[in-house]
Amino acid sequence: DGGITQSPKYLFRKEGQNVTLSCEQNLNHDAMYWYRQDPGQGLRLIYYSQIVNDFQKGDIAEGYSVSREKKESFPLTVTSAQKNPTAFYLCASSKGDPAYNEQFFGPGTRLTVL
Amino acid sequence: GQNIDQPTEMTATEGAIVQINCTYQTSGFNGLFWYQQHAGEAPTFLSYNVLDGLEEKGRFSSFLSRSKGYSYLLLKELQMKDSASYLCAVTDSNYQLIWGAGTKLIIKP
Repeated sequence: DGGITQSPKYLFRKEGQNVTLSCEQNLNHDAMYWYRQDPGQGLRLIYYSQIVNDFQKGDIAEGYSVSREKKESFPLTVTSAQKNPTAFYLCASSKGDPAYNEQFFGPGTRLTVL
Repeated sequence: GQNIDQPTEMTATEGAIVQINCTYQTSGFNGLFWYQQHAGEAPTFLSYNVLDGLEEKGRFSSFLSRSKGYSYLLLKELQMKDSASYLCAVTDSNYQLIWGAGTKLIIKP
């Protein structure tokens, strides 16, 4: 079955540590995205990538980094520079432009920084 | 600024009908999405409207009025499994997707 996987589902880290969240898709989608979801707020775009080896900052990229070395994979690193990293992180992909194409989401990773 | 408004929470009874509203003020408009998200899970696509009118898909329908900056999601014959958050998202003139905070729908027996 095609889909998007994220791991782990829950992640705990100490303050000051970098952490990498995994996102893999086998839908053969060109575009991939990382969102952050906080209670009472809409999804906020962190980074997105439309093709391999290329990515753009979203609305809240500060303190995060990504890579897109393979079409299937789009890992997100939460660095120690991110002031408030505790959140629910969602990875998504789409066949084409998300402006008018459905996005497919992974199950999410809940990151807690202690 | 760009803004999408949805009620924070709604309650409805199993078997009934509920309408979830979404109003938007964005720089231009190029489409509106509705997604369903169960607690702690991934959002899943429900509907996409780009022209005025009603789109029906089984028990779910979505309506759009571009002149009023307004959409609603209509859920009929409510089931307990419909308890979830419903997210409205609008594509603006720059083809950026703006997300609402979501409406938490609680279904009671």
